Amino acid sequence: AQSVAQPEDQVNVAEGNPLTVKCTYSVSGNPYLFWYVQYPNRGLQFLLKYITGDNLVKGSYGFEAEFNKSQTSFHLKKPSALVSDSALYFCAVRASNDYKLSFGAGTTVTVRA
Amino acid sequence: SQTIHQWPATLVQPVGSPLSLECTVEGTSNPNLYWYRQAAGRGLQLLFYSVGIGQISSEVPQNLSASRPQDRQFILSSKKLLLSDSGFYLCAWSVEQGSINQPQHFGDGTRLSIL
Repeated sequence: AQSVAQPEDQVNVAEGNPLTVKCTYSVSGNPYLFWYVQYPNRGLQFLLKYITGDNLVKGSYGFEAEFNKSQTSFHLKKPSALVSDSALYFCAVRASNDYKLSFGAGTTVTVRA
Repeated sequence: SQTIHQWPATLVQPVGSPLSLECTVEGTSNPNLYWYRQAAGRGLQLLFYSVGIGQISSEVPQNLSASRPQDRQFILSSKKLLLSDSGFYLCAWSVEQGSINQPQHFGDGTRLSIL
């Protein structure tokens, strides 16, 4: 079985400061990892993915994520947060032999001006 | 480019009434299709997925059913709604089976309130 943990329900940062949203995963075999963002009353928007290769992946809106196999983590980062980054963020994992995604419970990010 | 449409955006239904939510995808062929429910703005629960016309897999036994009458159409239904069916329902698609390193893409959801 595969699972995702997002240990922080909420992350609060000031605009211009770095933003990190944590994610750890459990899966058999090689993981396929994804980050999504959700704004109020909207669907999830795909931000970035890790499949293989470079451990640092870059995505939309200046976000990046670092894959760490030994720590089974895939933390989302942004060097300088914007107020418009305030949203709900989901990490998701898929095993290499399964097309079903398992989502974390989500982390609410609030960026204050 | 590919797009996904869900309707209605919001729906208020009485307990015991039927339900039909529709999702359509444009710009791709033979997509995998998914229905999720999101409770209280948090985690997503996979309800159904489909890899082709008429092929439906249920993840959670419940009061709901799904159908795929056409390649790019996915319908979520219920004969008699329960209070516990309230929630935010999301449809998603991904490229056809075999490309599992591709993300799922979501519609804007239907907020269902049962009274």
